[in-house]
Amino acid sequence: GENVEQHPSTLSVQEGDSAVIKCTYSDSASNYFPWYKQELGKRPQLIIDIRSNVGEKKDQRIAVTLNKTAKHFSLHITETQPEDSAVYFCAASWSSNTGKLIFGQGTTLQVKP
Amino acid sequence: NAGVTQTPKFQVLKTGQSMTLQCAQDMNHEYMSWYRQDPGMGLRLIHYSVGAGITDQGEVPNGYNVSRSTTEDFPLRLLSAAPSQTSVYFCASSTDRGPGAIYFGEGSWLTVV
Repeated sequence: GENVEQHPSTLSVQEGDSAVIKCTYSDSASNYFPWYKQELGKRPQLIIDIRSNVGEKKDQRIAVTLNKTAKHFSLHITETQPEDSAVYFCAASWSSNTGKLIFGQGTTLQVKP
Repeated sequence: NAGVTQTPKFQVLKTGQSMTLQCAQDMNHEYMSWYRQDPGMGLRLIHYSVGAGITDQGEVPNGYNVSRSTTEDFPLRLLSAAPSQTSVYFCASSTDRGPGAIYFGEGSWLTVV
C-alpha cells in the first residue's frame, strides 16, 4: 500500500524567513496530494492541495510543488509569521476525493518572532 | 449547514466496554472516513465508505466496525475497548463534486482505562 514519509519532523525559522517541508510517496498511482495545518487541539485544516496533472500551485504565501518522476512533493511557506506555527501534514491518495488519505508523520513548525 | 459533526467530544471507557462514535454530515457528500491520531503522529485511516451500503478497511481497522446505512451518517463502533485505542478520532467527508476538499469533524477524544 501507499506510504508517505515527511521531513523534517521539526522546523524552527525566524519570522519572515521561508519554510520548506518535503514528502515522498511510494505508490506511483497516487494522484492527489493535500497539505493540512493542525493547531493544538484542533482539527486538520486543508491549506493547499495539488493533483498529479499539475507541477506547482500557489496561494498567496503558500506553494506546493510536485515531482511525479521522483515521487515527492513539497510545501513552501514564504514570509513566515508567528501564526504559521502549527503542525503540518502532507497526505497522498490514489483516488482523489474519496476521503482515503495516507498521511505523513507531521512537521512541527515554530516561527520565532 | 453544520459540516461534519462528531459526538461525543470526550469519552472515558473501561477496558472491554463497547461504544459508538457518531459522525454526521449535512453536505450530501458521497465519501466518509474515520481516522485516528495518536500523540506526535499523523492520522491513520481506520475505515472508509464511498457511499451508502459500501464500506472498506483502511490502514488500522482491527477492533473497529462501521456501517453506512444513510448518506449522512457513518458511525464507528469499538467492539471491546482496549487501552491501545486511546486516541483522538476524526471523521471526514468529501465529494466528487466541486474542488474535492476533504472536510474533518472536530474530533472525539477517547481514553480507555
